Amino acid sequence: DVKVTQSSRYLVKRTGEKVFLECVQDMDHENMFWYRQDPGLGLRLIYFSYDVKMKEKGDIPEGYSVSREKKERFSLILESASTNQTSMYLCASRLAPQGSYEQYFGPGTRLTVT
Amino acid sequence: TQLLEQSPQFLSIQEGENLTVYCNSSSVFSSLQWYRQEPGEGPVLLVTVVTGGEVKKLKRLTFQFGDARKDSSLHITAAQPGDTGLYLCAGARGSNYKLTFGKGTLLTVNP
Repeated sequence: DVKVTQSSRYLVKRTGEKVFLECVQDMDHENMFWYRQDPGLGLRLIYFSYDVKMKEKGDIPEGYSVSREKKERFSLILESASTNQTSMYLCASRLAPQGSYEQYFGPGTRLTVT
Repeated sequence: TQLLEQSPQFLSIQEGENLTVYCNSSSVFSSLQWYRQEPGEGPVLLVTVVTGGEVKKLKRLTFQFGDARKDSSLHITAAQPGDTGLYLCAGARGSNYKLTFGKGTLLTVNP
């Protein structure tokens, strides 16, 4: 079974702090994704990476950056956390763009910025 | 622009009832997936449909992809409290890496 793990289930940070959210997958997937999920807004794509050191902006990249130095690890960085970044953050991975489109999700990190 | 519209947004039913949730779009998708998300967890893939008109069954769940590949439905027979969760549909277009997600249907099945 594919396993996607996220470094924290719950996180509380203060406004202005730099926040790192880590995601690791164990199935050698090329593609990895970061989403945020908010009530009434659904899942929104922040960034994705189609391979090591490759990244592309999603629909809402402002205020975020990402890092993918190794194939199994995709990090989301909040350079200076703000209260409007309080949300559920979900990481996902996928084998490859051809054929299978299924994404496998981690359990999520619920981030609160105070 | 919300490319995938899910309905209803909320659904509360009694155990044993049947229900259908819908996922509609004006766009054509190469494939469509259904996920279920339980509170505090990430979405878990239920099924992928890729052929227009395709019907897939997963125990009491029946998934259908529209002939034109613009819409899909999920039917649950004899719902159980364990079916409670947020049901999300997601569409893929061509070789695009990204999925387009609907906002979900929050289902509550009461004992």
